[in-house]
Amino acid sequence: DAGVIQSPRHEVTEMGQEVTLRCKPISGHNSLFWYRQTMMRGLELLIYFNNNVPIDDSGMPEDRFSAKMPNASFSTLKIQPSEPRDSAVYFCASTMGRTNSPLHFGNGTRLTVT
Amino acid sequence: GEDVEQSLFLSVREGDSSVINCTYTDSSSTYLYWYKQEPGAGLQLLTYIFSNMDMKQDQRLTVLLNKKDKHLSLRIADTQTGDSAIYFCAESKQSSYKLIFGSGTRLLVRP
Repeated sequence: DAGVIQSPRHEVTEMGQEVTLRCKPISGHNSLFWYRQTMMRGLELLIYFNNNVPIDDSGMPEDRFSAKMPNASFSTLKIQPSEPRDSAVYFCASTMGRTNSPLHFGNGTRLTVT
Repeated sequence: GEDVEQSLFLSVREGDSSVINCTYTDSSSTYLYWYKQEPGAGLQLLTYIFSNMDMKQDQRLTVLLNKKDKHLSLRIADTQTGDSAIYFCAESKQSSYKLIFGSGTRLLVRP
């Protein structure tokens, strides 16, 4: 089992540029989550999908953020345009979607916006 | 409301026991979790407890739950330097897959 795979591991971009973060969940998992981690705010849930459908996107900070899950094995989180305050580690996690199924996290993408 | 709080830092000597504490506010929480995050990595599930239990033991880990006080603790026996990491407490409700995380407790194990 390869685990949750995120790419890239690190991303450095200039303010105003578009950033796309990618995630491949564990095969067979039907729920996928995007989290953001910063020193100031800790871990924040941005959005989660169940069976490829967005269920709760109330954590998405603003319209500059969008997420898609075109199929069960791939999701993207896009920031357009990016701003320095978006600098954080972005984690993707997946789960079987049953009660008590643990979340499996990827290793994250460290985003730096200059 | 949903709020999970933890102390920020704990330092212990190798071989001692570590106790990491967590409080939560949502009395309808069904499952409570402990995750470990090592530098540069994602969060790894250590253990979890269902809200109708008051204790769970798994090798060196003991989880205690006081539902009345909404207090959760993680005890690590014979703490090793490899246990140095950030430990997150999280809660969820049965009707939701959404986890609410605490701010994390950084555990430093001194040789």
